Amino acid sequence: SQKIEQNSEALNIQEGKTATLTCNYTNYSPAYLQWYRQDPGRGPVFLLLIRENEKEKRKERLKVTFDTTLKQSLFHITASQPADSATYLCALDSNYGQNFVFGPGTRLSVLP
Amino acid sequence: EAGVTQFPSHSVIEKGQTVTLRCDPISGHDNLYWYRRVMGKEIKFLLHFVKESKQDESGMPNNRFLAERTGGTYSTLKVQPAELEDSGVYFCASSYRQGVLETQYFGPGTRLLVL
Repeated sequence: SQKIEQNSEALNIQEGKTATLTCNYTNYSPAYLQWYRQDPGRGPVFLLLIRENEKEKRKERLKVTFDTTLKQSLFHITASQPADSATYLCALDSNYGQNFVFGPGTRLSVLP
Repeated sequence: EAGVTQFPSHSVIEKGQTVTLRCDPISGHDNLYWYRRVMGKEIKFLLHFVKESKQDESGMPNNRFLAERTGGTYSTLKVQPAELEDSGVYFCASSYRQGVLETQYFGPGTRLLVL
């Protein structure tokens, strides 16, 4: 069956360290994979999109990798700050790219 | 520029009652999407409008859910009659063009609790 998993429900790291979040999928063949940030009581906010033929994408302190062989994406936040604390969701395209399938999310807490 | 707005922010109703959720997309966005997140589960796609037409309603759970977008502006999602398992957060999103390369802007969600 099709499944998207994110490494853990919650992740705690110390301020200044690099946070690494994992998204694994089974029985999908996405052409695109996205990462979103969601704060409590708010809707998801788009962060980055990576295509299947891209190995890596960067935006400021964020870096995303996409390995279609491993069926995995890694999301890194370098020099993490308490303000980075939020739930991070991966999503991949489905149904010929017309809608998204979301993972369950990882709740990241950056401790001062 | 105003973002996507949703009304109400919270709704508590009894099983068997009717609830109507509203979404106002970003002005000029032809594409409007409904998603929901039930307790402990991931966000799931419900349907997609392009202007007033339903482009994809493959995620609608059953015929107790009715979505409309008359005039291609705001959209409503009606649940009638509501059941306990309908409890969750209902998100609306909009985008200028359709497709996964287009950024979807999400609203804050409506938290629905069915007792």
